[in-house]
Amino acid sequence: GAVVSQHPSRVICKSGTSVKIECRSLDFQATTMFWYRQFPKQSLMLMATSNEGSKATYEQGVEKDKFLINHASLTLSTLTVTSAHPEDSSFYICSAREGGVRYEQYFGPGTRLTVT
Amino acid sequence: AQSVSQHNHHVILSEAASLELGCNYSYGGTVNLFWYVQYPGQHLQLLLKYFSGDPLVKGIKGFEAEFIKSKFSFNLRKPSVQWSDTAEYFCAVNSGGGADGLTFGKGTHLIIQP
Repeated sequence: GAVVSQHPSRVICKSGTSVKIECRSLDFQATTMFWYRQFPKQSLMLMATSNEGSKATYEQGVEKDKFLINHASLTLSTLTVTSAHPEDSSFYICSAREGGVRYEQYFGPGTRLTVT
Repeated sequence: AQSVSQHNHHVILSEAASLELGCNYSYGGTVNLFWYVQYPGQHLQLLLKYFSGDPLVKGIKGFEAEFIKSKFSFNLRKPSVQWSDTAEYFCAVNSGGGADGLTFGKGTHLIIQP
């Protein structure tokens, strides 16, 4: 089946630093990748949609200058949290949609970000 | 804008009991509907999905869901639950074109007691 990986699985960083999270589709080409944020004991909130080779589309209320998304290839998208603050601490999950397969998104295992 | 409402936030059942988790969505156009499960410490897995056609959808692990358009509902059911069904269940929706990200409900934490 389709597998999506994320790296790192956990990261702790100091306030003011930047952190990069990678999302890879391991056995398929993902024309579209999505980034979600999940707060403790809450649901997933869509942050942005990333299409290979083009600029990401951000949901209302998501700061595009803070959450930089790059989708440089059909198997890799990155999310960079710039100038991280403690309120950015969260669980970040990516998903990937395979071109040619109708509608299904495959989810990665998530990355736990803690900003101290 | 779309929204998804899951009415039961915590459900506790005994093994072999029947399960029904409610999901209602709000959206004026054509939608695609999904149920995902998240087992403790694991990533989201797709249980089942509805795009069109037969409103009764069968998924993995004995789960099924019924799309009732008039009620804007997509309730998840299983006739006999097992201890291994203990998990978080999320209902999700995106628009009919299918290219968009998903809008999730708040989730239902299901605990099955042996």
